[in-house]
Amino acid sequence: GENVEQHPSTLSVQEGDSAVIKCTYSDSASNYFPWYKQELGKRPQLIIDIRSNVGEKKDQRIAVTLNKTAKHFSLHITETQPEDSAVYFCAAMVGSSNTGKLIFGQGTTLQVKP
Amino acid sequence: NAGVTQTPKFRVLKTGQSMTLLCAQDMNHEYMYWYRQDPGMGLRLIHYSVGEGTTAKGEVPDGYNVSRLKKQNFLLGLESAAPSQTSVYFCASSYQNTYGYTFGSGTRLTVV
Repeated sequence: GENVEQHPSTLSVQEGDSAVIKCTYSDSASNYFPWYKQELGKRPQLIIDIRSNVGEKKDQRIAVTLNKTAKHFSLHITETQPEDSAVYFCAAMVGSSNTGKLIFGQGTTLQVKP
Repeated sequence: NAGVTQTPKFRVLKTGQSMTLLCAQDMNHEYMYWYRQDPGMGLRLIHYSVGEGTTAKGEVPDGYNVSRLKKQNFLLGLESAAPSQTSVYFCASSYQNTYGYTFGSGTRLTVV
């Protein structure tokens, strides 16, 4: 079945450094890739997404890149701040149906040290 | 505009008991989903619905049932709770099948 692998599971950086989280997916028909941020005890919230007809998308300090040939996509956070500390999830939409189903990665716990 | 509302927020059940989790959205979304979240396993899809009156199984449907009698509500039922169903349950909805989700605030369920 469809699968999304996410690495690393934990990431610790110093404030101001960059952070990169990588995901690979198995369904070659996937065409939508969102990223969610989940703070402790809160709901996941969409922070950025990318569609298969675009290779890169940027929103202030956050960017996502997509390589459809290799079936992987990455989240880049620059100039990290303590408030970026959270769990980040990547997801891929199942492409072979019209159900809108998302398959999620296992999550990355990002810690930004002041 | 409340978005996606889940009730209850917390619940403790004894093994074998039943309960229903309610998800309500006021955004006129067609698509609704139930996920469970367990440490180190991300979010796994239990059941989903692509419109009023429709339901379908996700990755981990065993032990759960769902109903979508009204477009705005999606109910998740546990007929006979087991300790393995201890988890945080999230409901989500989306406007179309190519858009991201809006999540509810979650239900933390403990089965003892």
